Amino acid sequence: QKEVEQNSGPLSVPEGAIASLNCTYSDRGSQSFFWYRQYSGKSPELIMSIYSNGDKEDGRFTAQLNKASQYVSLLIRDSQPSDSATYLCAGRRGSNYKLTFGKGTLLTVNP
Amino acid sequence: SQTIHQWPATLVQPVGSPLSLECTVEGTSNPNLYWYRQAAGRGLQLLFYSVGIGQISSEVPQNLSASRPQDRQFILSSKKLLLSDSGFYLCAWSRTGGMETQYFGPGTRLLVL
Repeated sequence: QKEVEQNSGPLSVPEGAIASLNCTYSDRGSQSFFWYRQYSGKSPELIMSIYSNGDKEDGRFTAQLNKASQYVSLLIRDSQPSDSATYLCAGRRGSNYKLTFGKGTLLTVNP
Repeated sequence: SQTIHQWPATLVQPVGSPLSLECTVEGTSNPNLYWYRQAAGRGLQLLFYSVGIGQISSEVPQNLSASRPQDRQFILSSKKLLLSDSGFYLCAWSRTGGMETQYFGPGTRLLVL
């Protein structure tokens, strides 16, 4: 069973801090990874995708991928209360259509 | 821009009743379409995906079925609902091709009593 595991949380950080969300995957064939944000009662919305080893930055968000260690992370700088949500990590093998999702990490940013 | 719609938004159904959930996409043609279920305490689970009209692939054996009668319409059905069918049902779309990002619709929350 190919799995994606996320740090279970919940994670609580003060406003303005860096939030670090982590994800590991068991399928070495996974080539692309996605971070989605899901507010309570709402559907997931894409934050970032990452395909290559290293860092990818988009505003306050940085995704990091290390395929050798089978590890993906999302850093949120200057965390805001509006960032409070469940963050879902997903991986995909090659050009396969199927995304394998982790169970998510609940992040709370305290004012 | 592309928009994805799902209805109904919420649904309460008795055990053994039929189900029909609908998803439509606007602003694109020949999208890949997906049905996911999110149950409490569990991750998103892919149920079905479709790469074209009438083409359905099932990921999980269950009492659900899917159909794609039109290019941008995807329907999830059941003849007899089970209690375990309760959950948050999400439709997603992506552009044609295996490397494309998936975007989710607003979802349907289903409670089977």
